[in-house]
Amino acid sequence: EAQVTQNPRYLITVTGKKLTVTCSQNMNHEYMSWYRQDPGLGLRQIYYSMNVEVTDKGDVPEGYKVSRKEKRNFPLILESPSPNQTSLYFCASSLSTSTANYGYTFGSGTRLTVV
Amino acid sequence: GQSLEQPSEVTAVEGAIVQINCTYQTSGFYGLSWYQQHDGGAPTFLSYNALDGLEETGRFSSFLSRSDSYGYLLLQELQMKDSASYFCAENQGGKLIFGQGTELSVKP
Repeated sequence: EAQVTQNPRYLITVTGKKLTVTCSQNMNHEYMSWYRQDPGLGLRQIYYSMNVEVTDKGDVPEGYKVSRKEKRNFPLILESPSPNQTSLYFCASSLSTSTANYGYTFGSGTRLTVV
Repeated sequence: GQSLEQPSEVTAVEGAIVQINCTYQTSGFYGLSWYQQHDGGAPTFLSYNALDGLEETGRFSSFLSRSDSYGYLLLQELQMKDSASYFCAENQGGKLIFGQGTELSVKP
């Protein structure tokens, strides 16, 4: 089944404790992206990657890191999480940005709480 | 920051037609997408318009006017299961910028 898999689905952590949210897609997509969703603010882009070893900042990159060492994986790293990073996070992928008419496939989300 | 405007809430009755409007900024615009999201679940792709005009997919249609920086999603023969949040999203090449979403409530 073609899908984007995020783990974990739920995570409660403490301020300052490094964490990684994994994202993997099995569709050989070039493009991958991370979003956070907060009430009243919609989905805001954190980072995106147009191919292996190519990453770029989105609108809200502060406090996050990403890497794209392999085509299928695009982990999101929070080196020192803070309470304002409490949010619902989504990973998404697409064949390429030039095939936007096929849409982006989203993972099921990771609900992160930082206390 | 956010460059798309859409209404925050829309209410309609089952069987009716509803239109959700979206205006966007033109800088770096490639096309306009629409996504549906139920209760914090994964957003799902509905449609994409790169050129002016109407795209129809079953009960859902999407329209784009590049000269007016405006698009809309049209939902026909509304069903209870259409109650969800609907997002327009602007494709800016590497970036997909979302509006804040419109919560659609379908009443019996």
